[in-house]
Amino acid sequence: AQSVSQHNHHVILSEAASLELGCNYSYGGTVNLFWYVQYPGQHLQLLLKYFSGDPLVKGIKGFEAEFIKSKFSFNLRKPSVQWSDTAEYFCAVNAKGNNRLAFGKGNQVVVIP
Amino acid sequence: EAGVAQSPRYKIIEKRQSVAFWCNPISGHATLYWYQQILGQGPKLLIQFQNNGVVDDSQLPKDRFSAERLKGVDSTLKIQPAKLEDSAVYLCASSLSPDSQETQYFGPGTRLLVL
Repeated sequence: AQSVSQHNHHVILSEAASLELGCNYSYGGTVNLFWYVQYPGQHLQLLLKYFSGDPLVKGIKGFEAEFIKSKFSFNLRKPSVQWSDTAEYFCAVNAKGNNRLAFGKGNQVVVIP
Repeated sequence: EAGVAQSPRYKIIEKRQSVAFWCNPISGHATLYWYQQILGQGPKLLIQFQNNGVVDDSQLPKDRFSAERLKGVDSTLKIQPAKLEDSAVYLCASSLSPDSQETQYFGPGTRLLVL
């Protein structure tokens, strides 16, 4: 079964700072990778996803993530955060052909105006 | 497009009582999921339906949890009897198909507190 690790559960930063959230997974086969976001008072929603091809994927709101197969990583980045990026971010993975998603514990990100 | 609907939004019960949650997926979505999210954790899949059939219930504690999706649309998740450790947010999600690349759309969740 897949497992997902997210470190630095709580992140506090100022507006315009850069954000990088780490995600590592353990699974030997081919995977699909996802980042979901939950804004305060809202439901989980998809930020971006990677299946194949260009390992650098771009999502909504200026977010991007890079898949590094050799490191089993799928880190999320944003060059300049805004107060509205305050949210909880979850990395998730499933195996090709099996849509059971395994989620990490999440990163609580607070952006100070 | 309407999203995934869930009710109730909040529920407080005492241990050993029973509780039921309801989910209405996005119209046309054949695949429905129930997740449990304990505080400080990511969501964990409990059960997955494809239309009205169970595809994966390997992580469902079947001694106390049950779920059904009788007409292949709405679904209910029941806990009987509840334990303190069942306090969590119960999330329903749906997707167009069971394809592993299909986006899962989540509802607002039901927050359960067991006293």
